Amino acid sequence: DAKTTQPPSMDCAEGRAANLPCNHSTISGNEYVYWYRQIHSQGPQYIIHGLKNNETNEMASLIITEDRKSSTLILPHATLRDTAVYYCIVRVLGSNYKLTFGKGTLLTVNP
Amino acid sequence: NAGVTQTPKFQVLKTGQSMTLQCAQDMNHEYMSWYRQDPGMGLRLIHYSVGAGITDQGEVPNGYNVSRSTTEDFPLRLLSAAPSQTSVYFCASSSPGGRTEAFFGQGTRLTVV
Repeated sequence: DAKTTQPPSMDCAEGRAANLPCNHSTISGNEYVYWYRQIHSQGPQYIIHGLKNNETNEMASLIITEDRKSSTLILPHATLRDTAVYYCIVRVLGSNYKLTFGKGTLLTVNP
Repeated sequence: NAGVTQTPKFQVLKTGQSMTLQCAQDMNHEYMSWYRQDPGMGLRLIHYSVGAGITDQGEVPNGYNVSRSTTEDFPLRLLSAAPSQTSVYFCASSSPGGRTEAFFGQGTRLTVV
């Protein structure tokens, strides 16, 4: 599996965009970038995934660089409820039975 | 939809006792997995199953057994509990096709004294 690197923590003001970076310089051509988050020791929750094109859903946007060596998760209008640990995971599509979690990024949204 | 249901939510065991953590999913997912999470750490894979009757070891399998007799259920057995197994345990399920993200249960917080 490709290794990912994320900053241990970030702060964001409520209502502003939160941009969470992830480096995955050893990503293979068939590996997708997945983002999950874990709110206060609850079970992790899927956010979004992508291969090489930018993706957007109701929760977030995912920007993947052209060389695919890094990506950014964007929460466009962060709320206090977005305070969580965010995990960037690189996996082959359909192999989500074997996820490798690092320590992730603790995003704290401040009022 | 219930999704992934784990029972119990909390459990205290004495060293040497055995117990089974239950996990059930109602999404007809082929894949199921067990993870443990220690304080300040990410989740680590214990065992996983890609279908009924098929299981395999993850990163930290020692001290745990699993079986998968039905698509819906994937119990995790602690054979002889040790303090090092004090952790929060998460069960997850997913599908190989369509929406491929993993769905997680709310966890079982286990303390071994």
